[in-house]
Amino acid sequence: NAGVMQNPRHLVRRRGQEARLRCSPMKGHSHVYWYRQLPEEGLKFMVYLQKENIIDESGMPKERFSAEFPKEGPSILRIQQVVRGDSAAYFCASSPKQETQYFGPGTRLLVL
Amino acid sequence: AQSVSQHNHHVILSEAASLELGCNYSYGGTVNLFWYVQYPGQHLQLLLKYFSGDPLVKGIKGFEAEFIKSKFSFNLRKPSVQWSDTAEYFCAVNACSTGTASKLTFGTGTRLQVTL
Repeated sequence: NAGVMQNPRHLVRRRGQEARLRCSPMKGHSHVYWYRQLPEEGLKFMVYLQKENIIDESGMPKERFSAEFPKEGPSILRIQQVVRGDSAAYFCASSPKQETQYFGPGTRLLVL
Repeated sequence: AQSVSQHNHHVILSEAASLELGCNYSYGGTVNLFWYVQYPGQHLQLLLKYFSGDPLVKGIKGFEAEFIKSKFSFNLRKPSVQWSDTAEYFCAVNACSTGTASKLTFGTGTRLQVTL
């Protein structure tokens, strides 16, 4: 049973470009979470999705950030017009209902 | 709102020393509690978790944690650390709720360095 998969593992963007991060949950998991880890800090919750629905986006910046989890395919975290402050590690986690969250390897975004 | 405090930011121990990492949380309701470990360059892995029942939980690699409800604490322990335990350790909580899982709130992490 493959774990949570994220790609790309590393992403370099110039200011103003778009970043698109993908997360494939573990088989049988219908809940997906995105977290951001800034240097020297713990993980901060961004958004929680189930298939085709955003359940909790209380941690998402109001502008430039969006997330989706379509019926088919991976969950996507999209950052438009990236700025240097967006440089961070973005982790995706998945869980079956009411169970432990399992994390992917993360995408390390560097904005030049 | 939930919050998690990890008071030890950086701990240095010699091999075979005993370990205790503190974790306190703030939340008005019932919580689930977790410890995750992040080895250098790797993703978070679950060490152990507490949902209910026996407040002393055992996890992988010889780690254990004790939930003390009156102190809002969930400290991580290991009797004898190994060099391979060098990593960053995160305490996390989420609110128990009926029907759906909920977001994790993490502490800022404790960086453990084990020397030979």
